[in-house]
Amino acid sequence: QSALTQPASVSGSPGQSITISCTGTSSDVGHYDYVSWYQQHPGKAPKLMIYDVRKRPSGVSNRFSGSKSGNTASLTISGLQAEDEADYYCSSYTSSSTLVFGGGTKLTVL
Amino acid sequence: QLQLQESGPGLVKPSETLSLTCTVSGGSISSRSYYWGWIRQPPGKGLEWIGSINYSGSTYHNPSLKSRVTISVETSKNQFSLKLSSVTAADTAVYYCARDQGYNWNLAPLYYFDYWGQGTLVTVSS
Repeated sequence: QSALTQPASVSGSPGQSITISCTGTSSDVGHYDYVSWYQQHPGKAPKLMIYDVRKRPSGVSNRFSGSKSGNTASLTISGLQAEDEADYYCSSYTSSSTLVFGGGTKLTVL
Repeated sequence: QLQLQESGPGLVKPSETLSLTCTVSGGSISSRSYYWGWIRQPPGKGLEWIGSINYSGSTYHNPSLKSRVTISVETSKNQFSLKLSSVTAADTAVYYCARDQGYNWNLAPLYYFDYWGQGTLVTVSS
């Protein structure tokens, strides 16, 4: 199984919105709504931010939202804050009942 | 509050077997509601799912690692374990254990990891 494709880096200024894309295939992102997103700060474990494409776990800010179109899922962060600077990973269930992660995107808040 | 803690050797020699244990506290690994997973991250690189197991021992593995991976559960100790055989330098990584939120329609894991251990660095070197 091949990793999902994410941009290596994105950036934005405080208060702005950014979107991170996650492109898979018809065997994973395009076929199932089992897409999730994780935030990881340096030296820390990942944190679940979005599941089922667009649902937020309790305690996650509503500035984080998810969506999907075809084989591409997206994470949008609105009202960027300095604390949002981190690495973000998408993941998807696959037709083999396994999990595949994206390569990760480094978000820089300018 | 659920907590997970990885334990095991931080240094493993090439060709040997890496063995890690995840101890769960604040909750029961015997719960039928969850799967439990292993994820790793090589230094400076991205996340890689290794495999997942539930209370009854039902397992799912990353196809790229499947021939070398054994995941087991010991409910009496509230632990689950990972063994990775024939390791090379490419297996050097931070290894995380995590709780998976549950099952999908196919009784396979959801792969939504909501609680994580702090991670443990395993270095493969002679």
